[in-house]
Amino acid sequence: SQQGEEDPQALSIQEGENATMNCSYKTSINNLQWYRQNSGRGLVHLILIRSNEREKHSGRLRVTLDTSKKSSSLLITASRAADTASYFCVSGQNFVFGPGTRLSVLP
Amino acid sequence: GAGVSQSPRYKVAKRGQDVALRCDPISGHVSLFWYQQALGQGPEFLTYFQNEAQLDKSGLPSDRFFAERPEGSVSTLKIQRTQQEDSAVYLCASSTRDSSYGYTFGSGTRLTVV
Repeated sequence: SQQGEEDPQALSIQEGENATMNCSYKTSINNLQWYRQNSGRGLVHLILIRSNEREKHSGRLRVTLDTSKKSSSLLITASRAADTASYFCVSGQNFVFGPGTRLSVLP
Repeated sequence: GAGVSQSPRYKVAKRGQDVALRCDPISGHVSLFWYQQALGQGPEFLTYFQNEAQLDKSGLPSDRFFAERPEGSVSTLKIQRTQQEDSAVYLCASSTRDSSYGYTFGSGTRLTVV
């Protein structure tokens, strides 16, 4: 079974809009990480949030973590065409990725 | 090195052939992971090393798959008697012991079995 499960599976937005992706997990974690994968390329680490943190920012990225609901969200503000990619979450203790959210940002 | 290096970048194998995929992790990274990614899917966990010890191999799909990291640095994923369903991108990642800075992934090896 998958530890990280992203939602929605696919998201299509216009450039400049915000994109929100969600992640649910099953067991307790010490941190949760988000990754981006452009088509045909390796995964790139975006941001890590620790279990004792509730929110974290990095540039246009904002991550929240709710350990009581075992969920996290990734917000990309002011999206750009270059943000088109698949986004995955994974916990630091469990190495299982979900199917990802495929984000398409239309110019 | 500065990043995780995987070789070869592409591999075409005839069905039944054995292949060996190499991963050079970031120097000093204790943890090393192998993933298999089919087209349009998320990475599927194969196995995990901490130094030279293989702590989890629950994701290896069959006994045709074997991974090693004998000196706790470079790792090799070997697939014996390749089948068409083995065609995928094989990703290697490394991290510090507690992954407190996330995993660093290599660019992967695209294996095509014909």
